Amino acid sequence: AQSVTQLDSQVPVFEEAPVELRCNYSSSVSVYLFWYVQYPNQGLQLLLKYLSGSTLVESINGFEAEFNKSQTSFHLRKPSVHISDTAEYFCAVSDQGGGGSNYKLTFGKGTLLTVNP
Amino acid sequence: GAGVSQSPSNKVTEKGKDVELRCDPISGHTALYWYRQRLGQGLEFLIYFQGNSAPDKSGLPSDRFSAERTGESVSTLTIQRTQQEDSAVYLCASSLYRDRATGELFFGEGSRLTVL
Repeated sequence: AQSVTQLDSQVPVFEEAPVELRCNYSSSVSVYLFWYVQYPNQGLQLLLKYLSGSTLVESINGFEAEFNKSQTSFHLRKPSVHISDTAEYFCAVSDQGGGGSNYKLTFGKGTLLTVNP
Repeated sequence: GAGVSQSPSNKVTEKGKDVELRCDPISGHTALYWYRQRLGQGLEFLIYFQGNSAPDKSGLPSDRFSAERTGESVSTLTIQRTQQEDSAVYLCASSLYRDRATGELFFGEGSRLTVL
């Protein structure tokens, strides 16, 4: 069984400040890692993912996440946030092998990022 | 529309009533997923459809829950004899088959169910 822990349910920051949203996971098998974002009144959308290769992955809007296998973490960071980054962020994992069921995602509870002017 | 469409967006019902939630996936997406998010919890996998293959129903929490999908089109999630613990946001997502393991899912805005 897998589990995902997002340590902060809410993170308020000021515009142009750096932010880190924490994600830790537990799994007995190798995993794929994902961050999804849900903007107000919209559906979840994939922000970035780690499948293999470089442990540092980036999104098109300046977020990055680093897979740390020894610490079983996949924290999301941005050096300078904008008002428009206000959203709920969900970390998720899936089983790389999965016995054919690697489409199942296990999600964390989400972190609400609020960027204030 | 171009995205995943879910209806109703909000449903309030009385305990013991049946409810039906609808999902219209993106055209051409053969994979369809239902997830549930209860208050303060992460999303829970409910069911997965892929084309005409037998669905993976392993996440359905009880036999009061059922889902159908005809071919690669609309899916309905039915909850019979609703209980208060069924109150949640029910999310539908779709994807291309090849993207099922790489996270490229497209989610609808969800159906918020409140059972009084």
